[in-house]
Amino acid sequence: AQKITQTQPGMFVQEKEAVTLDCTYDTSDPSYGLFWYKQPSSGEMIFLIYQGSYDQQNATEGRYSLNFQKARKSANLVISASQLGDSAMYFCAMRERLKTSYDKVIFGPGTSLSVIP
Amino acid sequence: DGGITQSPKYLFRKEGQNVTLSCEQNLNHDAMYWYRQDPGQGLRLIYYSQIVNDFQKGDIAEGYSVSREKKESFPLTVTSAQKNPTAFYLCASSIDPTDTQYFGPGTRLTVL
Repeated sequence: AQKITQTQPGMFVQEKEAVTLDCTYDTSDPSYGLFWYKQPSSGEMIFLIYQGSYDQQNATEGRYSLNFQKARKSANLVISASQLGDSAMYFCAMRERLKTSYDKVIFGPGTSLSVIP
Repeated sequence: DGGITQSPKYLFRKEGQNVTLSCEQNLNHDAMYWYRQDPGQGLRLIYYSQIVNDFQKGDIAEGYSVSREKKESFPLTVTSAQKNPTAFYLCASSIDPTDTQYFGPGTRLTVL
């Protein structure tokens, strides 16, 4: 079963506008973490933002914010004031604890974001 | 500058040959990881190491081998047993297994 779902394979946004990238997850572990990574065409995965399952407030990092809705099991990434350099693949990921105590990170299939001038 | 380096950036291999991908970090991180990414897909875990001299298989370890003799280094060998090795390989590290993973620039392997 898919643990991380990103339903938008591709998105377009006008420069300077805000955009929301969707992510839903599935876990029975009460303690987990959610991440967003950006992968430009160069290939490197760039860490953007983290949200812990017990965090009371939504995480923010500059122009990035995470809209965390625990009951709905969603962790959408909001990018404000889009820039041309934001064009990239965006991956949602979840960390959950395995029986071996290793915290495994599972990645979603990604959303391709294109910023239009 | 602290970071994670992977070499080479591009690698070509003939069928039947083993090849080793390098991953080095100077972040003093205990945990290191290898992922494989196929076109249009997310990342899949090959191997991980929580500490020096220890490593565990991930979801797709068949046809791969690793070693962790030094804290800074976690090389991945793609053996001839790996049936479809052409892919993009990413190495990552974290302070400990519970912390955020940071990635290297990746190695693109093509089997000719």
